[in-house]
Amino acid sequence: QSVLTQPPSASGTPGQRVTISCSGSRSNIAINTVNWYQQLPGTAPKLLIYSNNQRPSGVPDRFSGSKSGTSASLAISGLQSEDEADYYCAAWDDSLNGEVFGGGTKLTVL
Amino acid sequence: EVQLVESGGGLVQPGGSLRLSCAASGFTFNIYWMSWVRQAPGKGLEWVANIKQDGSEKHYVDSVKGRFTISRDNAKNSLYLQMDSLRAEDTAVYYCARDGFNGWDKHYWGQGILVTVSS
Repeated sequence: QSVLTQPPSASGTPGQRVTISCSGSRSNIAINTVNWYQQLPGTAPKLLIYSNNQRPSGVPDRFSGSKSGTSASLAISGLQSEDEADYYCAAWDDSLNGEVFGGGTKLTVL
Repeated sequence: EVQLVESGGGLVQPGGSLRLSCAASGFTFNIYWMSWVRQAPGKGLEWVANIKQDGSEKHYVDSVKGRFTISRDNAKNSLYLQMDSLRAEDTAVYYCARDGFNGWDKHYWGQGILVTVSS
């Protein structure tokens, strides 16, 4: 059971907009920034969004992040087949004094 | 170009020890926190430990406290994870990652190294 809760799966067709939620608590998301990672099969994770809504250079603006209260969301617009991957949210938890990850969401492009 | 290269993984028996290393290059190693993150086969990501720039502060996930020790050698641009009293549930790919300058965002990751704990 992960400290941050994500839906195990999500799907969409090419061109659609998909959102992935990440639910936390007062000790993590509410008071610390959220980061999102994309992991393609057999590869290391890649930073997709940091500090709630910032994109590293090279990440398309189709990817966006937001945070409100104890929850955060990742939105992917103009869905493409290469977006099929696992997505993880992460944040520091002040009660655990450590970083916590969501359980991951497997995105399927139909 | 930033590079993080892990080494030291392999097969070890339950109760055994292993020391992972991560060689860093392409950036000023001693100004960043560094982390270890693991991923059990078919499972999600789990943060394991991190260490401050000068090694004076360390944090661990509860499941490895007292068994794993994170350390660094800034002169060698290297990060380490000493793993003792290994258990089957420690079987995972272990990633070395560089934390952000002002936060825990991990812009750079190693390729990962497999640790298998089995008799």
